Amino acid sequence: DIQMTQSPSSLSASVGDRVTITCRASQSISSYLNWYQQKPGKAPKLLIYAASSLQSGVPSRFSGSGSGTDFTLTISGLQPEDFATYYCHQSYSIPRTFGQGTKLEIK
Amino acid sequence: QVQLQQSGPGLVKPSQTLSLTCAISGDSVSSNSAAWNWIRQSPSRGLEWLGRTYYRSKWSNDYAVSVKSRVTINPDTSKNQFSLQLNSVTPEDTAVYYCAREGSLYSDNTGYYHAAFDYWGQGTLVTVSS
Repeated sequence: DIQMTQSPSSLSASVGDRVTITCRASQSISSYLNWYQQKPGKAPKLLIYAASSLQSGVPSRFSGSGSGTDFTLTISGLQPEDFATYYCHQSYSIPRTFGQGTKLEIK
Repeated sequence: QVQLQQSGPGLVKPSQTLSLTCAISGDSVSSNSAAWNWIRQSPSRGLEWLGRTYYRSKWSNDYAVSVKSRVTINPDTSKNQFSLQLNSVTPEDTAVYYCAREGSLYSDNTGYYHAAFDYWGQGTLVTVSS
């Protein structure tokens, strides 16, 4: 199985800040990396697919980059609604696996 | 717009079978470009993919090794839905269970189609307890 490791596990930031979350795969997954946002009591929501493609309807302040084993999710100009937990996910192979999550909290 | 509506009991006794259903609207369970998945989430395991069913000229399934001996995911074409059955449950199976569509999304950046969970059900908290 491909292990997905996110860092940090949590971070505090302020409205307007730029934050970066990292995801590392245990083997190369090319660009088969997706990012999700989850708010309490809700299902995850797809933000970024194929490492850097923005899902329809997602604000452009979200961006993704990387390929191979190292990936980043960047949020430029944090908004109040962005405080949530973020997960990476690989769709390179079966079984599908997720990172452990990064909780973004208000400073 | 695709919508997934989950149904099923929120309480299951140990050793019994957990059964959930996911009704699809806006797409077909027989779609040649989607796969229909079950994923669960718990504080101890995080997001855990359980398995999927999909149609590509014939029906196929993939399952997580951790539950493979206990899990069945079946399509129901007459009702346009799919189901999860997890046998011999224990308290460790207590989790929020989600159904999700794995769509095939085109990326201008890579020039290829990529799979991602683009639609999710509302989630069902299933507690295993006597």
